[in-house]
Amino acid sequence: GNSVTQMEGPVTLSEEAFLTINCTYTATGYPSLFWYVQYPGEGLQLLLKATKADDKGSNKGFEATYRKETTSFHLEKGSVQVSDSAVYFCALRNPGAGGTSYGKLTFGQGTILTVHP
Amino acid sequence: EAQVTQNPRYLITVTGKKLTVTCSQNMNHEYMSWYRQDPGLGLRQIYYSMNVEVTDKGDVPEGYKVSRKEKRNFPLILESPSPNQTSLYFCASSLGHRETQYFGPGTRLLVL
Repeated sequence: GNSVTQMEGPVTLSEEAFLTINCTYTATGYPSLFWYVQYPGEGLQLLLKATKADDKGSNKGFEATYRKETTSFHLEKGSVQVSDSAVYFCALRNPGAGGTSYGKLTFGQGTILTVHP
Repeated sequence: EAQVTQNPRYLITVTGKKLTVTCSQNMNHEYMSWYRQDPGLGLRQIYYSMNVEVTDKGDVPEGYKVSRKEKRNFPLILESPSPNQTSLYFCASSLGHRETQYFGPGTRLLVL
């Protein structure tokens, strides 16, 4: 079945530091990959996505590249801000066919990021 | 404003007392889904709906029911809640099952 593994957290950084959150996946077929962010007390928001190999998703200074050869989708940001403090979830979605759960997002366990001034 | 709303946002109840968590979206989305979030496990899908009157089980459906009588609403029903259903619940919707999912603000449930 499908699975997503994220690096263990929590991650604590100083403002302007470089961020990497590792994400690897196991899936059949050609999944779409996502990063969602959850700010304190809020629901999940889509941060970025990539739908095929070698695609790069980017938003708000965050980037992630769909690497099929390493089954990875690592999240990076060159200079984090205090406002980036949140929980980050890596997720995948298989196209869905033949009785599988259509549209289901399979999530990693989440990585808590705290950025100090 | 395009949004997914959930009610209530917080709920404390006792074992066995039936409850319903409502979910509503104003984006005319066909696909809706319920997830639960537990520490160390991420989010797991409970049920989903491809359209009105079309629902199916996700990964953790035991102890839950859903209905989809109208396109905009997708309530989650716990007929006889148990303490292991204490969790944070999210409703999500998307135009179709291949489209980006938008999440509600969450419902934190405590079952005593």
